[in-house]
Amino acid sequence: GENVEQHPSTLSVQEGDSAVIKCTYSDSASNYFPWYKQELGKRPQLIIDIRSNVGEKKDQRIAVTLNKTAKHFSLHITETQPEDSAVYFCAASKNSGYALNFGKGTSLLVTP
Amino acid sequence: DGGITQSPKYLFRKEGQNVTLSCEQNLNHDAMYWYRQDPGQGLRLIYYSQIVNDFQKGDIAEGYSVSREKKESFPLTVTSAQKNPTAFYLCASWTNRNTGELFFGEGSRLTVL
Repeated sequence: GENVEQHPSTLSVQEGDSAVIKCTYSDSASNYFPWYKQELGKRPQLIIDIRSNVGEKKDQRIAVTLNKTAKHFSLHITETQPEDSAVYFCAASKNSGYALNFGKGTSLLVTP
Repeated sequence: DGGITQSPKYLFRKEGQNVTLSCEQNLNHDAMYWYRQDPGQGLRLIYYSQIVNDFQKGDIAEGYSVSREKKESFPLTVTSAQKNPTAFYLCASWTNRNTGELFFGEGSRLTVL
């Protein structure tokens, strides 16, 4: 089955800096790659996703890039703010509507 | 408000007891999922169901059982055969289309004493 690896497991940045989280996947048939943010004690919520027909997608301070040849995708957060502090999960699946395989998460801490 | 309702939010059980976690959605979503979350382990798939009366095992189905008798409901039973049942359980649903997202409930935290 699909195996999703996520790095780093923890990341600490100063407010205003950029943060990058990287994921690799094993199944070349995967074509849907969402990112979820989970605040302490709350449910994971989708923040951005990308499908394999595009290489990059941006939404304000958040962007995701996808390299299908290398089977990796990354989350970029610019101008980080303390409220960005949370656990971020990447995931992959063969199609939206199918079960997502998640990475183990990255705990991001943004210090003022 | 449309959404996914999980209950109970917190549950304590003695070792050896079966326990059932409820998941109800009024989003008219076809597919429903159960994930287990442990610290540092991410979200691991237990079971999922694409349509009523059908479900498939995920990566860690041993010690769990589910049913899907109604589109709105996907209860999860944690049986005494599950060796480490203490965890945070998340139910999710997704429309069977090419767009959309996996939408999670608030979760149920099970502690086995």
